[in-house]
Amino acid sequence: GAGVSQSPSNKVTEKGKDVELRCDPISGHTALYWYRQSLGQGLEFLIYFQGNSAPDKSGLPSDRFSAERTGGSVSTLTIQRTQQEDSAVYLCASSLGMMMARETQYFGPGTRLLVL
Amino acid sequence: SQQGEEDPQALSIQEGENATMNCSYKTSINNLQWYRQNSGRGLVHLILIRSNEREKHSGRLRVTLDTSKKSSSLLITASRAADTASYFCATAEGSTLGRLYFGRGTQLTVWP
Repeated sequence: GAGVSQSPSNKVTEKGKDVELRCDPISGHTALYWYRQSLGQGLEFLIYFQGNSAPDKSGLPSDRFSAERTGGSVSTLTIQRTQQEDSAVYLCASSLGMMMARETQYFGPGTRLLVL
Repeated sequence: SQQGEEDPQALSIQEGENATMNCSYKTSINNLQWYRQNSGRGLVHLILIRSNEREKHSGRLRVTLDTSKKSSSLLITASRAADTASYFCATAEGSTLGRLYFGRGTQLTVWP
């Protein structure tokens, strides 16, 4: 019964470097979501994966952002050539599915990214 | 882009009082959910209300939904200091299945 886990908890990087953020969803959850939260803001949708379907990437802010989900489980969000405006908390969530009664999203603790 | 907007942005009350937070949204929805966040980290799901429902209860929480006014309210009764947190509403739309649209949240402070 573990929840969604994310690593690292905190990441400090220099402008221009690439970073990888990891998410382990709840076992058996077919849907996985990435959001980011900038200081004092609500959550901004980035991308979601549902089973073997093509991911919805419509929330990714630029082509420097990409995400993968291997084997229908673990996901990695990669930010290339980081910029200071990328500094935020990156939150991952998973759900049983997306249809009614399965759509509640359970969130991980987040990765706090600081780009210097 | 954001869908829900919470009101007020900040709310400060004494323990034992009731706390009411409101959420307005712009387009038609499948459901509306309320989440709680402590210290800017992970969100905890509180309650989900579907577009065909008007009211739901869960413990000390009561949520209402008025689709004609595109608004929802979250009532926390008999508040406790441990309820201090940020509360967000999030909407799910039929046209963009899966993604949630969040507001900026209400920061609730409950004083002992």
